[in-house]
Amino acid sequence: DTEVTQTPKHLVMGMTNKKSLKCEQHMGHRAMYWYKQKAKKPPELMFVYSYEKLSINESVPSRFSPECPNSSLLNLHLHALQPEDSALYLCASSQPGRDRSYNEQFFGPGTRLTVL
Amino acid sequence: GENVEQHPSTLSVQEGDSAVIKCTYSDSASNYFPWYKQELGKRPQLIIDIRSNVGEKKDQRIAVTLNKTAKHFSLHITETQPEDSAVYFCAATPTGTGRRALTFGSGTRLQVQP
Repeated sequence: DTEVTQTPKHLVMGMTNKKSLKCEQHMGHRAMYWYKQKAKKPPELMFVYSYEKLSINESVPSRFSPECPNSSLLNLHLHALQPEDSALYLCASSQPGRDRSYNEQFFGPGTRLTVL
Repeated sequence: GENVEQHPSTLSVQEGDSAVIKCTYSDSASNYFPWYKQELGKRPQLIIDIRSNVGEKKDQRIAVTLNKTAKHFSLHITETQPEDSAVYFCAATPTGTGRRALTFGSGTRLQVQP
């Protein structure tokens, strides 16, 4: 299995709702990422988990809460979002190489989030 | 931190022509440079990558060149086809500091006219 899967594909939520985005990979990768992508812009890094530990938090507002229950799963919990948080949320995974070298990041198809 | 600049922002070529997209980076510690293709509504997909111990890499119609001294790298697509139309992102990452995160360029929208 060489794919990263994400659910749901689309999500519409109100500003008072609580929802979660899910990401799964079965490639044995030990690094997983959340990105936010606005239209016509590059992916913008939010969080990085390395060996199930949060290693990078790009000063993301606390209304976004990541969780890595095990090496195959990554969640993003959403609460009290704002309309400007509407975007495509991409998950990715990679296998860190030896000597801190970098290996290919595989992206999931994304969740298109709309906040009303 | 790392800063990646990408040019041009849009590129239109005739089918069969070549396309070149250029990126510059700021952090001399960067040593991994992937290129991603993103079609409308789809996920970014890696098309080619290069590491700083290599100056050029080719895969069929796609090639990437790296100039570490000048801190720039380029994507070359030859014999372009309409299905090459997409947004292309370059990226760079330093290693050795524990920060295993890509910094992306702003993207180039390539349109191949049939």
